[in-house]
Amino acid sequence: DGGITQSPKYLFRKEGQNVTLSCEQNLNHDAMYWYRQDPGQGLRLIYYSQIVNDFQKGDIAEGYSVSREKKESFPLTVTSAQKNPTAFYLCASSSSAGAGYNSPLHFGNGTRLTVT
Amino acid sequence: AQSVSQHNHHVILSEAASLELGCNYSYGGTVNLFWYVQYPGQHLQLLLKYFSGDPLVKGIKGFEAEFIKSKFSFNLRKPSVQWSDTAEYFCAVSRVSGGYNKLIFGAGTRLAVHP
Repeated sequence: DGGITQSPKYLFRKEGQNVTLSCEQNLNHDAMYWYRQDPGQGLRLIYYSQIVNDFQKGDIAEGYSVSREKKESFPLTVTSAQKNPTAFYLCASSSSAGAGYNSPLHFGNGTRLTVT
Repeated sequence: AQSVSQHNHHVILSEAASLELGCNYSYGGTVNLFWYVQYPGQHLQLLLKYFSGDPLVKGIKGFEAEFIKSKFSFNLRKPSVQWSDTAEYFCAVSRVSGGYNKLIFGAGTRLAVHP
């Protein structure tokens, strides 16, 4: 079955450590996205990539970094510079027309990151 | 600031009651509009979408939404809710920004339907 795989489901880290969240898709989608979901704030866009080797900052990119070396993979690194990293992180993808435009997002199951 | 606003954070209804969830956005120009739903323990999934044409859009499970351009609104409606509609609902707006399409979500509305 085609879909988006995020791993791990739960992740715990000590403050000051970088951590990388995995996102893999086998939908052959060009575009991939990372959102952060916090209670009462909905989903906020961290980074997005419309094509391999290209990515753009979203609304809350500070303290995060991404890479897009392969079409199917879009890992997100939460760095020690992110002031409030504890959150639920969602990865999504869409076909080449772009985020929502004629192609809805497909979401992964998410990774819940807790930093103490 | 440009944004997507959902007016109600929590809604509690009895089965068979009518539902209307508000959504307003503040972007000018051409936008595409969506409602996503997240059932307990499941992925976010698309409920319905509006790109152009008839402003009254019908989605899955009896949901519909009406795009009113003059009011920058895209409210979600269902005439008679069921217990299985208990979920969190997100309005989203897609627009071109800096040459890229971006999808911006509202804060979500958590709906609880009591039998």
